[in-house]
Amino acid sequence: NAGVTQTPKFRVLKTGQSMTLLCAQDMNHEYMYWYRQDPGMGLRLIHYSVGEGTTAKGEVPDGYNVSRLKKQNFLLGLESAAPSQTSVYFCASSGYEQYFGPGTRLTVT
Amino acid sequence: AQSVTQLGSHVSVSEGALVLLRCNYSSSVPPYLFWYVQYPNQGLQLLLKYTSAATLVKGINGFEAEFKKSETSFHLTKPSAHMSDAAEYFCAVTLMVANNDMRFGAGTRLTVKP
Repeated sequence: NAGVTQTPKFRVLKTGQSMTLLCAQDMNHEYMYWYRQDPGMGLRLIHYSVGEGTTAKGEVPDGYNVSRLKKQNFLLGLESAAPSQTSVYFCASSGYEQYFGPGTRLTVT
Repeated sequence: AQSVTQLGSHVSVSEGALVLLRCNYSSSVPPYLFWYVQYPNQGLQLLLKYTSAATLVKGINGFEAEFKKSETSFHLTKPSAHMSDAAEYFCAVTLMVANNDMRFGAGTRLTVKP
């Protein structure tokens, strides 16, 4: 039982490049979330999903897209990365409480 | 919308001393409240949660928190700090069991001095 896993752990992008972050959970949770963590701001919700095939916007969705083609996976995409998207990204899944992945540290230069 | 405010971005205590991390919430309806801990280069781990049952909630690693509606507070305490408690702590609030509206505080970094 791995819980919530994220790949990659680290990534450096140049402005304008694209990438996809993968989140996987093995707890059969319906709900999944993507957050970004910035110093002094706590975690902010980017997008979330309440089940396979459904997604919704969170607090800070601009510049990101998501997909939930399979129940266990939740993908976060950056189509054209910007320096403002330099952050640590966390995925979480929940039944009654949220379980977090270890994070992806993204730097956009 | 609901929100939480954590008072003090940094707290420093001596080993064996009381730990008190403050969290105040704002909510129009009874909330669900959580405390999470984050160790360096790791994700968040749930310490404890308040879900409208007992107002005094006990969590892992000897931590506990008390929900005080009159003060809109949910402060985290531990009677005796251990070196391994050094980490960042986040208070969070949600109005829904599904918690897709969860809002986190800015975090409090706890330092424990020997």
